[in-house]
Amino acid sequence: DVKVTQSSRYLVKRTGEKVFLECVQDMDHENMFWYRQDPGLGLRLIYFSYDVKMKEKGDIPEGYSVSREKKERFSLILESASTNQTSMYLCASSQGTGDSYRSYFGAGTRLSVL
Amino acid sequence: GEDVEQSLFLSVREGDSSVINCTYTDSSSTYLYWYKQEPGAGLQLLTYIFSNMDMKQDQRLTVLLNKKDKHLSLRIADTQTGDSAIYFCADSGNTGKLIFGQGTTLQVKP
Repeated sequence: DVKVTQSSRYLVKRTGEKVFLECVQDMDHENMFWYRQDPGLGLRLIYFSYDVKMKEKGDIPEGYSVSREKKERFSLILESASTNQTSMYLCASSQGTGDSYRSYFGAGTRLSVL
Repeated sequence: GEDVEQSLFLSVREGDSSVINCTYTDSSSTYLYWYKQEPGAGLQLLTYIFSNMDMKQDQRLTVLLNKKDKHLSLRIADTQTGDSAIYFCADSGNTGKLIFGQGTTLQVKP
């Protein structure tokens, strides 16, 4: 089974702190994604990566950056956390070829910024 | 841009059938997906349908696709309390990035 692991289930940070959310997948998938989930808004794509050291902006990249130095790891960085970044963050990976656009998700990190 | 729309809430009685509906705008979609999210958890893939299919059945789940109207539905037969969750419809388009609907919260009453 594909496993996508997010390093923390819950995080509490203060406004202005630099925050790192880590995600690791064990299936050698090409694609990795970071979403945030807010009630009534569904999942919104923050950033994604098709390959190591490659990244592309999603729909809501402002206030975030990402890093993909190794294929299995995709990090989301909040340079200076703000209260409006309080949310559930979901990482996903996919093979991304043929019928394998299906994405596999981690359990999520619920971030509270105070 | 591409868009996926779902109603936000559905309530059914245990044992009834549930039908969750979804509309999408991207006519180049290759695959359409249904994901389930239980409280406090990530999303798990329930089922998916290839765009040249009209229907797919998998045990209690039936997916219907009307490509002309860009309408997708998920029917859950004999709904159980364990089916209570948020259900997301997602469209892959042709880019590999999934576009998600807002999610439908299914409430199953005993």
